[in-house]
Amino acid sequence: GAGVSQSPRYKVAKRGQDVALRCDPISGHVSLFWYQQALGQGPEFLTYFQNEAQLDKSGLPSDRFFAERPEGSVSTLKIQRTQQEDSAVYLCASSIWTAKGETQYFGPGTRLLVL
Amino acid sequence: AQTVTQSQPEMSVQEAETVTLSCTYDTSESDYYLFWYKQPPSRQMILVIRQEAYKQQNATENRFSVNFQKAAKSFSLKISDSQLGDAAMYFCAYRSAELGTYKYIFGTGTRLKVLA
Repeated sequence: GAGVSQSPRYKVAKRGQDVALRCDPISGHVSLFWYQQALGQGPEFLTYFQNEAQLDKSGLPSDRFFAERPEGSVSTLKIQRTQQEDSAVYLCASSIWTAKGETQYFGPGTRLLVL
Repeated sequence: AQTVTQSQPEMSVQEAETVTLSCTYDTSESDYYLFWYKQPPSRQMILVIRQEAYKQQNATENRFSVNFQKAAKSFSLKISDSQLGDAAMYFCAYRSAELGTYKYIFGTGTRLKVLA
């Protein structure tokens, strides 16, 4: 079946521009995560959704970052007034719980470069 | 706050040999989950193996096994019979089991090179 998809795969923005990054999770997955991965680093948690409810947004670095998942499926991460330090790969993951525990399925990421 | 530390930025292993990747973590919680993820070059991150803290038995998945030392807060990954396809970045991750917490905390990763 289809995995997690993200679009665009690459985005170049001028400093100060707004960007929107899209995540299509695996159908039926209730949980959705956004991460920011800087070059040479591990993913850093940004936010978590359970269906349409944003239950944890503690990792969003500033109020320029906003995420939504209005119908409990597709999610969008929006960054307003982008700055150079926002350059990173943004990963989306959806997850499912089984008897073994939670398994996250990651998308390919969106590589954002802010000039 | 919980932290995850991977002290080996890079490791190399000969094909068919065994390699162990290290991970230590810090937490005051008694129940949690630990994971190893693999991120191949230009490919998506995938789950390799997981361990629940309340289980004493070390998890195994085919050629992959862990050495979980709860008191020492250590969680190492052993890859046996290494294959060229094992070359990737490996990330150790922590997730609390406390109700109402969802956040994953990742280490900085270990780049594994497999030599033919």
